[in-house]
Amino acid sequence: AQSVTQLGSHVSVSEGALVLLRCNYSSSVPPYLFWYVQYPNQGLQLLLKYTSAATLVKGINGFEAEFKKSETSFHLTKPSAHMSDAAEYFCAVSAPNFGNEKLTFGTGTRLTIIP
Amino acid sequence: SQTIHQWPATLVQPVGSPLSLECTVEGTSNPNLYWYRQAAGRGLQLLFYSVGIGQISSEVPQNLSASRPQDRQFILSSKKLLLSDSGFYLCAWSVGQVNSEQYFGPGTRLTVT
Repeated sequence: AQSVTQLGSHVSVSEGALVLLRCNYSSSVPPYLFWYVQYPNQGLQLLLKYTSAATLVKGINGFEAEFKKSETSFHLTKPSAHMSDAAEYFCAVSAPNFGNEKLTFGTGTRLTIIP
Repeated sequence: SQTIHQWPATLVQPVGSPLSLECTVEGTSNPNLYWYRQAAGRGLQLLFYSVGIGQISSEVPQNLSASRPQDRQFILSSKKLLLSDSGFYLCAWSVGQVNSEQYFGPGTRLTVT
């Protein structure tokens, strides 16, 4: 079975500052990893995904994440925060080619942008 | 392109009343379909998933049920709602393996009073 841990349920950054949202995973096989964003009262939108190709993955809205096997991490970053980035972010993991394994989501990190 | 619809968008129901939430997907065939619940301040809880018509897997024992009467239609039901059923219900779809990326609908906000 796989799991993800998102460190920090709330993160606040100033507009223009670096955004860093942390995600650590646990998986018995090489995982697939995902980041989703959820704006208030909306569904989740896929930001980016890692599927065992390049370890640095670029997504939408200027976000990127780096897969680090040695650290079992998949942290989400953005060089310069924008007010529109305020939302909740979810990390998810799956075990490819493992039969019926499903996506397992973290508990989320709420990102607040300080003007 | 693919789109996913959920309705209603919001719903207020008394305890003990029945529930029916509907989800439909357009632009794809034989999708995997999922129902999640998101309670206030908590993450996503997978309730049901389906890999085909009439094939439903339940993840959490509860008073909810799901059905898939058509390839791109997924329904979440309850005969008698509990206060604890309040939350934000999200439908999602994927193609291929059930562990591939999922695409979410806009959600239904359910308040049980």
